[in-house]
Amino acid sequence: QVQLQQSGAELVKPGTSVKLSCKASGYTFTSNHMNWIKQTTGQGLEWIGIINPGSGGTSYNVKFKGKATLTVDKSSSTAFMQLSSLTPEDSAVYYCARSRLSGDIDYWGQGVMVTVSS
Amino acid sequence: DIQMTQSPASLSASLEEIVTITCQASQNIGNWLAWYQQKPGKSPQLLIYGTTSLADGVPSRFSGSRSGTQYSLKISRLQVEDIGIYYCQQASSTPWTFGGGTKLELK
Repeated sequence: QVQLQQSGAELVKPGTSVKLSCKASGYTFTSNHMNWIKQTTGQGLEWIGIINPGSGGTSYNVKFKGKATLTVDKSSSTAFMQLSSLTPEDSAVYYCARSRLSGDIDYWGQGVMVTVSS
Repeated sequence: DIQMTQSPASLSASLEEIVTITCQASQNIGNWLAWYQQKPGKSPQLLIYGTTSLADGVPSRFSGSRSGTQYSLKISRLQVEDIGIYYCQQASSTPWTFGGGTKLELK
């Protein structure tokens, strides 16, 4: 069965960076695009961007350009998102999520809580 | 960006009641609309895609429809396991955007 296993919760200091991982299993990693989505109580769900694991091609929400960098490692079927220059406003739950050609998201990781605090 | 205005923000309903949640798109998105359910402490789960198609394993009491740029999710007979937060998402053009969510509670 399809699974997206995300790395554990992070407590990080303002101004630093963090790299989140999402290991995919149960399907051919390069067959579906991978998305990253931010969830906060105040802002709800925000789409950060998408990566094509086959080509490495990416598309970002303008709001997160310069903040998020999406990469993949095909050899381990793992997607990554690096968040840089962290501020308390980056504190949120981040999901990796597989999408289909129709654009809907059929599988979500369990989410990872990132807390930015000094 | 395409704005998705979801209503109501919260809803209290009784078991077996009919529940309807709507999303208004700020521009034409065709049938590129999905609905998700999120239970407390869990990830969202796909309910409906392509405006009207049920995702695998979703009970038939859920249905989706469209009238112009207004999209609706209907639960025909509310069950206890339907409690949670519901989101719409447009997949017409990036950045994909979500509605603000509807918190569904039992009366």
